[in-house]
Amino acid sequence: QVQLVQSGPELKKPGASVKVSCKASGYTFTSHAINWLRQAPGQGLEWMGWINTNTGEPTYVQDFTGRFVFSLDTSVTTAYLHINNLKAEDSAVYYCARDFPRHYVSDPWGQGTLVTVSS
Amino acid sequence: EIIMTQSPATLSVSPGEGATLSCRASHRVGKYLAWYQHKPGQAPRLLIYDASTRAAGVPARFSGSGSETEFSLTISSLQSEDFAVYYCQQFLTWPPKLGQGTRVEIK
Repeated sequence: QVQLVQSGPELKKPGASVKVSCKASGYTFTSHAINWLRQAPGQGLEWMGWINTNTGEPTYVQDFTGRFVFSLDTSVTTAYLHINNLKAEDSAVYYCARDFPRHYVSDPWGQGTLVTVSS
Repeated sequence: EIIMTQSPATLSVSPGEGATLSCRASHRVGKYLAWYQHKPGQAPRLLIYDASTRAAGVPARFSGSGSETEFSLTISSLQSEDFAVYYCQQFLTWPPKLGQGTRVEIK
């Protein structure tokens, strides 16, 4: 079955970096983009952007340009979210999702990765 | 940027009762509208896309309707597993925005 499995929770200090992985299985990885969304504490779901799994080209929502980087390793059908220079306000659950059955629609989702930024 | 507004923020419903959730888009989106269900500690789940098409495996008690700027999600008879937060999202234009969510709680 189609599955996206994300890496485990992270506790980081401000200024550090983190890499969240998203391992896809059960479908042809390059047939669908990977979307990234997040949920900050007490907030709703928020789009961060997406990455084209054929070209590796990322597209970011304006609020997520600069410190947030999407990447791929197609050889292991895995997408990555890198966050540099972490800030306390980056504390959130980060989700990857397959872009399916329409562009910008997400199905299924990974289980989420909690990133906590605290000194 | 298209803004999605959901109402009500919270809906209190008894098991077995029906519920209707509303979603309004600030600009016309045709039928480019999806609904997601999100339970605490779980991955969100796609319920509806194209405003009214149920995703694979979604029970028939979930139905979506509407077009352009006014949409609704109806749950015909709430089961215990349906108590969750529901989000609508437009996918017509970039960036795809989600509403703030409607929490469906047990009355």
